[in-house]
Amino acid sequence: DVKVTQSSRYLVKRTGEKVFLECVQDMDHENMFWYRQDPGLGLRLIYFSYDVKMKEKGDIPEGYSVSREKKERFSLILESASTNQTSMYLCASSLRGDYNHEKLFFGSGTQLSVL
Amino acid sequence: AQKVTQAQTEISVVEKEDVTLDCVYETRDTTYYLFWYKQPPSGELVFLIRRNSFDEQNEISGRYSWNFQKSTSSFNFTITASQVVDSAVYFCALSGALYNFNKFYFGSGTKLNVKP
Repeated sequence: DVKVTQSSRYLVKRTGEKVFLECVQDMDHENMFWYRQDPGLGLRLIYFSYDVKMKEKGDIPEGYSVSREKKERFSLILESASTNQTSMYLCASSLRGDYNHEKLFFGSGTQLSVL
Repeated sequence: AQKVTQAQTEISVVEKEDVTLDCVYETRDTTYYLFWYKQPPSGELVFLIRRNSFDEQNEISGRYSWNFQKSTSSFNFTITASQVVDSAVYFCALSGALYNFNKFYFGSGTKLNVKP
């Protein structure tokens, strides 16, 4: 089975701190994603990566950056955390696939609270 | 514009009742895929089904069934004889081709509470 592992289930940080959220997948997937989940808003795409060192902005990239130095690892970085970044963060991965509509495999999420 | 609407924020049923979760989508793509995911309290979204825009056949998998109707842009999900383990948040999603990458658009989710 595909496993997507997020380093922390719960995280509490202070405003202004630099925050790293780590995600590792073990199935050699080309695509990796970071979403944030907020009540009533569903999942919104922050960034995605389709290959090592490649990244593309999603719908809400402001205040975030990402890093993909190895195929299995995709990191989300909050350069200076703010209270409006308090949210559930979900990492996902997928195969590139022939038709680019492959299903996503998700991690269990990181609930980040910024105080 | 791509959009998925799940108008039901929360539904509560008693065990063994049937329940339908609604999903309405908007897209200009002629080729697209629709998905349902389940998010149990553990947090990890789990894939349930994928349906492409050219296949309007309904699908049944055990107690789960899906009704895809292009004429009404809907992809509804029915759970027959619900069980407490079905309690979760369910997301409908639309995938449209963007260059070589499939971007997903998620609905806001429907929280299903199944009471014993």
